[in-house]
Order: sequence, then C-alpha cells, then structure tokens
Amino acid sequence: EPEVTQTPSHQVTQMGQEVILRCVPISNHLYFYWYRQILGQKVEFLVSFYNNEISEKSEIFDDQFSVERPDGSNFTLKIRSTKLEDSAMYFCASRGDRNNSPLHFGNGTRLTVT
Amino acid sequence: GDSVTQMEGPVTLSEEAFLTINCTYTATGYPSLFWYVQYPGEGLQLLLKATKADDKGSNKGFEATYRKETTSFHLEKGSVQVSDSAVYFCALWSTGNQFYFGTGTSLTVIP
Repeated sequence: EPEVTQTPSHQVTQMGQEVILRCVPISNHLYFYWYRQILGQKVEFLVSFYNNEISEKSEIFDDQFSVERPDGSNFTLKIRSTKLEDSAMYFCASRGDRNNSPLHFGNGTRLTVT
Repeated sequence: GDSVTQMEGPVTLSEEAFLTINCTYTATGYPSLFWYVQYPGEGLQLLLKATKADDKGSNKGFEATYRKETTSFHLEKGSVQVSDSAVYFCALWSTGNQFYFGTGTSLTVIP
C-alpha cells in the first residue's frame, strides 16, 4: 500500500537555526498538510497546501514557517529560526481529491531544539 | 467553529475487556468522522471512518456509529488485546479543507 514518507525521523538543532523537514506524499494525492504534536498533547493543524499554494494555515504557522513543493514529489516544511517551543513531532499528511478522502500520515519527524 | 471532544485518558483495561472511548463533535453541515490510532513511535493510521449519519465504520474489531442525533462517534471494541495499546484520536472533516482532531485517548491493555 502506498504511504507517506518523512525524513529525517529525528532532527536535533540549535535555537535560531533553520531546519527543513521533508515529506514525500502519496503520488496521486493532491492535498498536503503539516501537523505537529508537542509531546503528550493534541495534534495541531499547521497548514494545508493545494494546487501549489497554501489553502489554509493556523495561527501557529507564522512568518517563521514556510512550505514548498519544489518538485513533483517532495513537500517541505521550513522553520527559519527555530525556537525551543518548536520542539515537537511534525507529521506530514496527504489525501486524494475525492470528498471525504481520509488523511494518510507519515511516521513523523521528531524535532528537538536545544 | 468545528471541533471534536474526546474522553480524557488514560484508559487501562485488562485483556478481553470491553472498550468504549467517547467522542462528540460540533460542526456545521454534515461532517465525515474518523478514528485514527497512533502506536508508540509511529504516525497516525486511519482506523475507521463514517461519512453520513447512521453509518457504522469498522476495522480490526473496532466499531463506531455516526449518531447525528447525539453528535457522537464513540469507538468500541468487544474484547481488547495487548496489541491494541495505543493513542486513539477522533477526527472530523467538514466543509473546507481541514481536519479537526480530538486530544487523543491513551489506551493501555494489560495481560
């Protein structure tokens, strides 16, 4: 069964550094998402992406965050200047174009900011 | 706005016990409802879904019925196993392009 893949599985970075989290969504999916989960807390929506542009974003997704689909397969999340509170699991997800299509998640990237 | 409320955990059960995890929702229109499961160290996996009122989603012995009159989508399993230990998330998709997740309920099944 096709799956969403994320790399790296764990990223450690120093405060103020830029990080790029990478995702390869399922190939025929058209909607892409990033979520985050701070340890032990709820899954929070960050941003959705469709047709090469952001379709929705949450309050969390401020100017420090950006997303890109640089080619036909990758979907990246960049954090320009990381803060301690950015430490979390970041999940990429994708879904097809049918109404009610479920989200398919990757296994996540654990980001640790020191 | 749209939201999902899930029963708080953690839940600890003995093997073969009956499981219920409550989920209620608030939404405009007619949302689709989902249960996702997160095993330790892994991402969220779709467990089951229901797209309209009175639909019953089922998978791996788990069931949930979409109840419009009570705006609920409770997850049930008749006999849990140790391998069911995970965090369970109720989720909603309505108009727009966003899923709303509950806070998650941690389940531990002991032998």
